[in-house]
Amino acid sequence: DAGVIQSPRHEVTEMGQEVTLRCKPISGHDYLFWYRQTMMRGLELLIYFNNNVPIDDSGMPEDRFSAKMPNASFSTLKIQPSEPRDSAVYFCASRGRAAGNTIYFGEGSWLTVV
Amino acid sequence: DAKTTQPTSMDCAEGRAANLPCNHSTISGNEYVYWYRQIHSQGPQYIIHGLKNNETNEMASLIITEDRKSSTLILPHATLRDTAVYYCIVRVKGTDFGNEKLTFGTGTRLTIIP
Repeated sequence: DAGVIQSPRHEVTEMGQEVTLRCKPISGHDYLFWYRQTMMRGLELLIYFNNNVPIDDSGMPEDRFSAKMPNASFSTLKIQPSEPRDSAVYFCASRGRAAGNTIYFGEGSWLTVV
Repeated sequence: DAKTTQPTSMDCAEGRAANLPCNHSTISGNEYVYWYRQIHSQGPQYIIHGLKNNETNEMASLIITEDRKSSTLILPHATLRDTAVYYCIVRVKGTDFGNEKLTFGTGTRLTIIP
């Protein structure tokens, strides 16, 4: 299995630009999670989906952030407009019933907003 | 989910057993203990989980006290590649619970010394 695949791995963008992060969960997994990690705040859950439906988005910091899951094999996290304080590593993770409820993480997308 | 307490950092000599403690005194009867680790620049990696019995897999052993208020993760023969931040998390395991959040604390930074 290829694991959770995220793109891009690294992105540097200017303040005000739109940023789109992409995630392909493990095939067959029905939960998908977006996390953000910074030195100050550690790992924070932003939003999670079950069967492509957003279940809890209480961790999304503000309206500039949005996430979609148009199908079972793809999700996006969008920041528009981006700000320097959005600089962080964004992790996507997925979980499936057959996996014994273990959550598997991708390698992360390193975002720098200048 | 119950709160966990872990030491901020630990050192262990290469080849020795690394014992990482975790306190979870407010754990509920249906909450499992999960351990993840995060090697620098990578996504968190699942290690092991358990409810009340001791568990062992190819990566580690998990010892849970009889009252379930604390646990210890044991890496039997630590190598330099085990240097990472180790997170102890307690959560309800299941597929139909309202709260699917995996809440990470600050973890223990384990350094394996050559």
